[in-house]
Parts: sequence; C-alpha cells; structure tokens
Amino acid sequence: RKEVEQDPGPFNVPEGATVAFNCTYSNSASQSFFWYRQDCRKEPKLLMSVYSSGNEDGRFTAQLNRASQYISLLIRDSKLSDSATYLCVVMGTGRRALTFGSGTRLQVQP
Amino acid sequence: NAGVMQNPRHLVRRRGQEARLRCSPMKGHSHVYWYRQLPEEGLKFMVYLQKENIIDESGMPKERFSAEFPKEGPSILRIQQVVRGDSAAYFCASSPGTGGDEQFFGPGTRLTVL
Repeated sequence: RKEVEQDPGPFNVPEGATVAFNCTYSNSASQSFFWYRQDCRKEPKLLMSVYSSGNEDGRFTAQLNRASQYISLLIRDSKLSDSATYLCVVMGTGRRALTFGSGTRLQVQP
Repeated sequence: NAGVMQNPRHLVRRRGQEARLRCSPMKGHSHVYWYRQLPEEGLKFMVYLQKENIIDESGMPKERFSAEFPKEGPSILRIQQVVRGDSAAYFCASSPGTGGDEQFFGPGTRLTVL
C-alpha cells in the first residue's frame, strides 16, 4: 500500500465549478500535512498547510481527519489558472522528509 | 527575497560521467532537502542536510550518490558514473528549521543521461 494515496484523475471541470480532492495516508504517526500544486512538471509550489481544525485561504479549503487518516482540498469557483496537478504531502513524526502522493490532475475548461 | 536557486537548470551527461547539482537555499533558511522525480512518477525524498551535517539520507541510493552542504556555499548533490536510470528532475527545497515545517522548492535540475 502506498504511504499517500490520491485519485490520479484527471478531473475535467468547467470554470466556476467546485471541485474536491481526497487523499489518504497510511502512517498514523504523521504530524504535518500539506497541499502543493505542480504545473507541467515544474517545481511543486506550496498551496497550503492542513490543520485538524480545517483552514481556508480564499477559494481553497483544506480539511484533515486524523481518525480516518484522510485529507481533503476543496476549490470553489474554479479558474482556468487552477489547472495543475495537486499533490497531497505528509511529514512523519520526528522526520522532516516529505512523502508525496502521485498527484491529482485538474483541468479547468472554459 | 530570492527563492531557492538551483543550477544548472538542465544538465546532459553521457553514461559514466559525473553530475554535480547545486542548490542555494532561501535567505535565512538553514535546512536543505533533495528530492528526485523520475519520468511519470511522484517526488521521492533523497536526503536532508543542515550546514556541514547530513541529518537523514534514508532516501539516497547506496552507491554513486552523495550530498553535502558546506559551511560556505551551496549544497551539492553529486552523482558519479551516471546511468540512464538517473535521468530525472532533481528538486532542492529549503526550510528555516524553526517556526514551521513548510518546505519551499527550487526550479529543479533536469538531468538527461545519454
């Protein structure tokens, strides 16, 4: 079983749509959680950290469920510029190495 | 404030040659990480360094690969006697080490082994 699992997609949505991505992780001792985005195999860019209380940044909302080992990302009012691969990323306890999911590809269409 | 810098951006080597990849962390960051992304695959952790110390090299191949982060100058990832399977994008990230776990990535070096 992979340490971080994501649906690879692609998710094809029209502009203005709301889209949700899910991710599960296997290590219950994981301590930090992030969403990154990666465009056309350029460098990953940090989108947001994810906290148990949930957090929001503009059109983006992230949730963490430690009991279910589940992380989600919600994007509201999708823009063409949101088209990218979204990476679910986990950091284990006592280590600073990031473990990446294989990514979920989003294509927003006009 | 300059971000993480990596050079070269593209590197072509023939089998058996050495590849040297350089990474300068963001200003104020003392922790450096190297990740590798093989074609059509996700990013994989290789090594975590602080100045003059390797903290975690659990992701490094046992042979031909080495990394350093000297007191002065950039971090270096060295690959000796490259093989075709080393062709990949190598990303460096940095973090301040205190105050948060977020890592910020450089633009990467794309290594092609002929």
